[in-house]
Amino acid sequence: DAGVTQSPTHLIKTRGQQVTLRCSPISGHKSVSWYQQVLGQGPQFIFQYYEKEERGRGNFPDRFSARQFPNYSSELNVNALLLGDSALYLCASSPGQGWVQPQHFGDGTRLSIL
Amino acid sequence: GENVEQHPSTLSVQEGDSAVIKCTYSDSASNYFPWYKQELGKRPQLIIDIRSNVGEKKDQRIAVTLNKTAKHFSLHITETQPEDSAVYFCAARRWGTGGTSYGKLTFGQGTILTVHP
Repeated sequence: DAGVTQSPTHLIKTRGQQVTLRCSPISGHKSVSWYQQVLGQGPQFIFQYYEKEERGRGNFPDRFSARQFPNYSSELNVNALLLGDSALYLCASSPGQGWVQPQHFGDGTRLSIL
Repeated sequence: GENVEQHPSTLSVQEGDSAVIKCTYSDSASNYFPWYKQELGKRPQLIIDIRSNVGEKKDQRIAVTLNKTAKHFSLHITETQPEDSAVYFCAARRWGTGGTSYGKLTFGQGTILTVHP
């Protein structure tokens, strides 16, 4: 079975631009979460979506937004990019939203801001 | 909010030795504690997890222990092998029925484990 897939794998943008990152969860998984991982640190929670609704939001500015589609895939959008947005963006999926549901990560999108 | 502290930041062992990584958490409502292994340039991979109603869990060479009273949990790797070399992250999650932290995993800062042949 395919795992969590993310696209693109790498992306280079300049300050002020906008970016859209995509995630396809494991087949049968209905919950998608987004994390930002800065080099040398642990992942930081950005959003969780379940059944197309936002179910959790981390401490990120409104420049960050996301959505989930009927097929449970998801997009993360970041507007007005800053140098500090350079990071690995990870998507994780889980079967549902219960506390016993482990999250499985994709390979991530490496975003570099020039 | 939840805070997870992880120690040590780096750990170097000889092949065959044991390795122990410790984490403490601040939110007493946290009830799920996974451990992830991340090799360079790769995805975090779930290696073991424990729920708050369990004190210890083992999977071959890997074990996790949880002390809810002290709010800390540990990863134990026995008979380490060079392929165990990676960054290990602990995490904690609080079960919630609403609010902004629903489903959120809070990660520690990571431990770079190096196993020397």
